[in-house]
Amino acid sequence: AQKVTQAQTEISVVEKEDVTLDCVYETRDTTYYLFWYKQPPSGELVFLIRRNSFDEQNEISGRYSWNFQKSTSSFNFTITASQVVDSAVYFCALSPSNTGNQFYFGTGTSLTVIP
Amino acid sequence: GAGVSQTPSNKVTEKGKYVELRCDPISGHTALYWYRQSLGQGPEFLIYFQGTGAADDSGLPNDRFFAVRPEGSVSTLKIQRTERGDSAVYLCASSSPERASEQFFGPGTRLTVL
Repeated sequence: AQKVTQAQTEISVVEKEDVTLDCVYETRDTTYYLFWYKQPPSGELVFLIRRNSFDEQNEISGRYSWNFQKSTSSFNFTITASQVVDSAVYFCALSPSNTGNQFYFGTGTSLTVIP
Repeated sequence: GAGVSQTPSNKVTEKGKYVELRCDPISGHTALYWYRQSLGQGPEFLIYFQGTGAADDSGLPNDRFFAVRPEGSVSTLKIQRTERGDSAVYLCASSSPERASEQFFGPGTRLTVL
């Protein structure tokens, strides 16, 4: 079975605080991709990052960083020094290699950054 | 085009009516996907096209839903005899052959069935 769990439904932080969004996945595939998307109030899903299952190296892009740990099936996302523009719903997604690139999304975490 | 476009942005219809939702993918993208997103949920896969053919339609909920992509570019999602439970945002995504696992999403069509 393929499944993505985002246990945090809603998070509120004060501007400039760091925040980590959790993502836990389940798959029996040995090859798969993991993604994070941002969905601002406008509704369009914005691609943030893709990770393949063979690359556990953590990645940093500006204020964003991602921690991929296969041992715990987690792919967590940290925003450093949060800003009001970071307020959005964030989705983690899994794409197993044998499903024709079908994505399995989590239920999303709604992040509110308070000025 | 610059991104995936979807029309209409909003569609209100009455129970029992037929609707068509259109998706225009990024130029050159051979793969096209339809998802449905209900309020407070993540997108759920409906159907995936590779070129003109439906490579995987396992996510279509029932036979009232159908999608086509006759020329391998624009796709239309068709819903017959709409029900109130069909109300959702319908998202389209496309991907290129070079980076097939990276999907780019359109703004969605918000369907409301009264």
